[in-house]
Amino acid sequence: AQRVTQPEKLLSVFKGAPVELKCNYSYSGSPELFWYVQYSRQRLQLLLRHISRESIKGFTADLNKGETSFHLKKPFAQEEDSAMYYCALGQGAQKLVFGQGTRLTINP
Amino acid sequence: GAVVSQHPSRVICKSGTSVKIECRSLDFQATTMFWYRQFPKQSLMLMATSNEGSKATYEQGVEKDKFLINHASLTLSTLTVTSAHPEDSSFYICSARDGVSGSPEQYFGPGTRLTVT
Repeated sequence: AQRVTQPEKLLSVFKGAPVELKCNYSYSGSPELFWYVQYSRQRLQLLLRHISRESIKGFTADLNKGETSFHLKKPFAQEEDSAMYYCALGQGAQKLVFGQGTRLTINP
Repeated sequence: GAVVSQHPSRVICKSGTSVKIECRSLDFQATTMFWYRQFPKQSLMLMATSNEGSKATYEQGVEKDKFLINHASLTLSTLTVTSAHPEDSSFYICSARDGVSGSPEQYFGPGTRLTVT
Protein backbone atom coordinates (compact mmCIF):
# COMPACT_ATOMS: atom_id res chain seq x y z
CA ALA A 1 0.00 0.00 0.00
CA GLN A 2 1.09 3.53 -0.70
CA ARG A 3 2.10 5.46 2.38
CA VAL A 4 3.90 8.71 3.08
CA THR A 5 5.35 9.39 6.50
CA GLN A 6 6.47 12.75 7.78
CA PRO A 7 7.75 11.95 11.26
CA GLU A 8 7.92 15.53 12.49
CA LYS A 9 4.65 17.32 13.05
CA LEU A 10 6.44 20.46 14.19
CA LEU A 11 9.91 21.73 13.39
CA SER A 12 11.41 24.92 14.68
CA VAL A 13 14.80 26.32 13.66
CA PHE A 14 16.54 29.65 13.85
CA LYS A 15 16.96 31.93 10.88
CA GLY A 16 20.13 31.07 9.00
CA ALA A 17 20.26 27.51 10.29
CA PRO A 18 19.96 24.50 7.99
CA VAL A 19 16.56 22.87 7.60
CA GLU A 20 15.67 19.28 6.81
CA LEU A 21 12.08 18.08 6.63
CA LYS A 22 11.90 14.32 6.54
CA CYS A 23 9.71 12.26 4.27
CA ASN A 24 9.67 8.50 3.87
CA TYR A 25 7.43 6.56 1.57
CA SER A 26 6.37 3.04 0.78
CA TYR A 27 5.40 2.13 -2.76
CA SER A 28 6.04 -0.92 -4.87
CA GLY A 29 6.40 0.75 -8.26
CA SER A 30 8.18 3.86 -9.50
CA PRO A 31 6.43 6.78 -7.84
CA GLU A 32 6.62 10.47 -8.43
CA LEU A 33 7.37 12.44 -5.29
CA PHE A 34 6.35 16.00 -4.57
CA TRP A 35 6.71 18.60 -1.88
CA TYR A 36 3.80 20.98 -1.46
CA VAL A 37 3.83 24.09 0.73
CA GLN A 38 0.98 25.99 2.32
CA TYR A 39 1.81 29.46 3.59
CA SER A 40 -0.49 31.10 6.09
CA ARG A 41 -3.88 31.87 4.54
CA GLN A 42 -2.76 30.73 1.08
CA ARG A 43 -3.58 27.76 -1.07
CA LEU A 44 -1.48 24.66 -1.24
CA GLN A 45 1.13 25.04 -3.95
CA LEU A 46 3.75 22.82 -5.49
CA LEU A 47 7.25 23.47 -4.22
CA LEU A 48 9.29 20.66 -5.79
CA ARG A 49 8.89 17.52 -7.84
CA HIS A 50 11.63 14.92 -7.86
CA ILE A 51 11.65 14.39 -11.60
CA SER A 52 12.67 17.96 -12.34
CA ARG A 53 15.61 17.92 -9.89
CA GLU A 54 15.35 21.66 -9.40
CA SER A 55 15.95 24.05 -6.55
CA ILE A 56 13.07 26.30 -5.62
CA LYS A 57 13.43 29.09 -3.05
CA GLY A 58 16.70 27.46 -2.01
CA PHE A 59 15.04 24.12 -1.26
CA THR A 60 16.20 20.84 -2.74
CA ALA A 61 15.01 17.29 -2.35
CA ASP A 62 16.69 14.13 -3.54
CA LEU A 63 14.87 10.89 -4.05
CA ASN A 64 16.73 8.07 -2.31
CA LYS A 65 15.18 4.84 -3.52
CA GLY A 66 17.37 2.71 -1.26
CA GLU A 67 16.13 4.48 1.85
CA THR A 68 12.72 5.28 0.31
CA SER A 69 13.14 8.88 1.36
CA PHE A 70 12.56 12.28 -0.18
CA HIS A 71 13.79 14.70 2.44
CA LEU A 72 13.47 18.44 1.84
CA LYS A 73 16.53 20.53 2.63
CA LYS A 74 17.61 24.13 2.71
CA PRO A 75 21.05 25.23 3.89
CA PHE A 76 20.03 28.59 5.36
CA ALA A 77 16.48 29.05 6.61
CA GLN A 78 14.65 32.33 6.15
CA GLU A 79 11.70 33.66 8.12
CA GLU A 80 9.48 33.53 5.06
CA ASP A 81 9.99 29.77 4.92
CA SER A 82 7.63 29.37 7.87
CA ALA A 83 4.74 27.31 6.52
CA MET A 84 3.14 23.90 6.42
CA TYR A 85 4.98 21.42 4.22
CA TYR A 86 3.46 18.28 2.77
CA CYS A 87 5.25 15.43 1.08
CA ALA A 88 3.15 13.59 -1.51
CA LEU A 89 3.45 10.48 -3.66
CA GLY A 90 1.65 9.63 -6.86
CA GLN A 91 1.86 7.78 -10.12
CA GLY A 92 0.14 8.41 -13.41
CA ALA A 93 -3.58 8.92 -13.05
CA GLN A 94 -3.69 7.82 -9.46
CA LYS A 95 -4.52 10.07 -6.56
CA LEU A 96 -1.77 11.71 -4.57
CA VAL A 97 -1.06 10.31 -1.15
CA PHE A 98 -0.12 13.03 1.29
CA GLY A 99 1.88 12.86 4.47
CA GLN A 100 0.52 14.40 7.63
CA GLY A 101 2.53 17.54 7.09
CA THR A 102 5.26 19.33 9.01
CA ARG A 103 4.74 22.80 10.36
CA LEU A 104 8.02 24.64 9.98
CA THR A 105 8.64 27.71 12.10
CA ILE A 106 11.68 29.87 11.52
CA ASN A 107 12.61 31.87 14.57
CA PRO A 108 14.30 35.26 14.11
CA GLY B 1 -0.91 28.71 -15.94
CA ALA B 2 -2.69 25.85 -14.18
CA VAL B 3 -5.03 27.92 -12.03
CA VAL B 4 -7.88 26.42 -10.08
CA SER B 5 -10.63 28.57 -8.63
CA GLN B 6 -13.29 27.81 -6.05
CA HIS B 7 -16.56 29.53 -5.35
CA PRO B 8 -17.63 30.64 -2.86
CA SER B 9 -14.57 31.28 -0.73
CA ARG B 10 -16.71 31.41 2.39
CA VAL B 11 -20.26 30.34 3.10
CA ILE B 12 -22.47 30.24 6.16
CA CYS B 13 -25.61 28.17 6.09
CA LYS B 14 -28.24 26.94 8.49
CA SER B 15 -28.39 23.39 9.69
CA GLY B 16 -30.47 21.22 7.39
CA THR B 17 -29.84 23.20 4.22
CA SER B 18 -27.64 22.24 1.28
CA VAL B 19 -24.60 24.07 0.00
CA LYS B 20 -22.92 23.81 -3.39
CA ILE B 21 -19.23 24.53 -3.90
CA GLU B 22 -17.80 24.97 -7.38
CA CYS B 23 -14.30 24.11 -8.52
CA ARG B 24 -13.05 25.32 -11.90
CA SER B 25 -9.85 24.80 -13.84
CA LEU B 26 -9.29 28.12 -15.57
CA ASP B 27 -6.65 27.41 -18.20
CA PHE B 28 -6.46 23.66 -18.61
CA GLN B 29 -8.70 20.67 -18.99
CA ALA B 30 -9.06 18.70 -15.82
CA THR B 31 -10.09 15.13 -16.51
CA THR B 32 -9.78 14.41 -12.82
CA MET B 33 -10.62 16.60 -9.87
CA PHE B 34 -10.25 15.84 -6.20
CA TRP B 35 -12.12 17.06 -3.15
CA TYR B 36 -10.40 17.35 0.20
CA ARG B 37 -11.38 18.38 3.65
CA GLN B 38 -8.92 20.11 5.93
CA PHE B 39 -9.35 20.58 9.64
CA PRO B 40 -7.49 23.37 11.46
CA LYS B 41 -3.75 22.79 11.49
CA GLN B 42 -4.16 19.31 10.07
CA SER B 43 -3.40 17.57 6.83
CA LEU B 44 -5.74 17.23 3.91
CA MET B 45 -8.19 14.36 3.97
CA LEU B 46 -9.15 13.13 0.52
CA MET B 47 -12.90 12.80 0.28
CA ALA B 48 -13.40 11.74 -3.32
CA THR B 49 -11.94 11.56 -6.79
CA SER B 50 -14.06 12.95 -9.58
CA ASN B 51 -13.59 11.96 -13.21
CA GLU B 52 -15.29 13.94 -15.94
CA GLY B 53 -18.42 12.24 -17.15
CA SER B 54 -18.45 9.43 -14.62
CA LYS B 55 -19.38 8.80 -11.01
CA ALA B 56 -17.06 9.96 -8.29
CA THR B 57 -15.01 7.52 -6.28
CA TYR B 58 -15.40 8.14 -2.57
CA GLU B 59 -12.86 7.36 0.09
CA GLN B 60 -13.75 5.00 2.88
CA GLY B 61 -15.93 6.62 5.48
CA VAL B 62 -17.18 9.45 3.26
CA GLU B 63 -20.95 9.42 2.76
CA LYS B 64 -21.65 9.71 -0.95
CA ASP B 65 -25.28 10.65 -0.37
CA LYS B 66 -24.23 13.51 1.84
CA PHE B 67 -21.40 14.84 -0.29
CA LEU B 68 -22.69 14.85 -3.85
CA ILE B 69 -20.05 15.35 -6.51
CA ASN B 70 -20.71 16.22 -10.11
CA HIS B 71 -18.04 16.61 -12.79
CA ALA B 72 -20.03 17.42 -15.86
CA SER B 73 -17.34 19.18 -17.87
CA LEU B 74 -13.57 19.22 -18.19
CA THR B 75 -13.36 22.49 -16.30
CA LEU B 76 -16.01 22.23 -13.60
CA SER B 77 -16.68 19.99 -10.65
CA THR B 78 -19.18 20.69 -7.88
CA LEU B 79 -19.48 19.42 -4.34
CA THR B 80 -22.89 19.67 -2.71
CA VAL B 81 -23.09 19.20 1.03
CA THR B 82 -26.65 18.02 1.60
CA SER B 83 -28.58 18.52 4.82
CA ALA B 84 -25.59 20.19 6.38
CA HIS B 85 -24.95 19.91 10.09
CA PRO B 86 -22.52 21.81 12.33
CA GLU B 87 -20.06 18.92 12.21
CA ASP B 88 -19.77 19.50 8.45
CA SER B 89 -18.21 22.87 9.15
CA SER B 90 -14.75 22.70 7.68
CA PHE B 91 -12.40 23.92 4.99
CA TYR B 92 -13.08 22.20 1.69
CA ILE B 93 -10.38 22.21 -0.96
CA CYS B 94 -10.50 21.00 -4.53
CA SER B 95 -7.63 20.18 -6.82
CA ALA B 96 -7.33 19.25 -10.46
CA ARG B 97 -5.02 17.21 -12.65
CA ASP B 98 -4.07 18.25 -16.13
CA GLY B 99 -5.34 15.34 -18.19
CA VAL B 100 -2.96 16.07 -21.04
CA SER B 101 0.30 15.89 -19.10
CA GLY B 102 -0.28 12.46 -17.57
CA SER B 103 1.46 13.62 -14.40
CA PRO B 104 -0.10 12.97 -10.98
CA GLU B 105 0.69 16.56 -10.00
CA GLN B 106 -2.36 18.39 -8.71
CA TYR B 107 -3.20 22.08 -8.78
CA PHE B 108 -5.12 23.32 -5.78
CA GLY B 109 -7.94 25.75 -5.35
CA PRO B 110 -7.94 28.34 -2.57
CA GLY B 111 -10.50 26.47 -0.52
CA THR B 112 -14.01 27.16 0.74
CA ARG B 113 -14.73 27.67 4.40
CA LEU B 114 -18.11 26.26 5.28
CA THR B 115 -19.77 27.20 8.55
CA VAL B 116 -23.01 25.50 9.47
CA THR B 117 -25.00 27.20 12.21
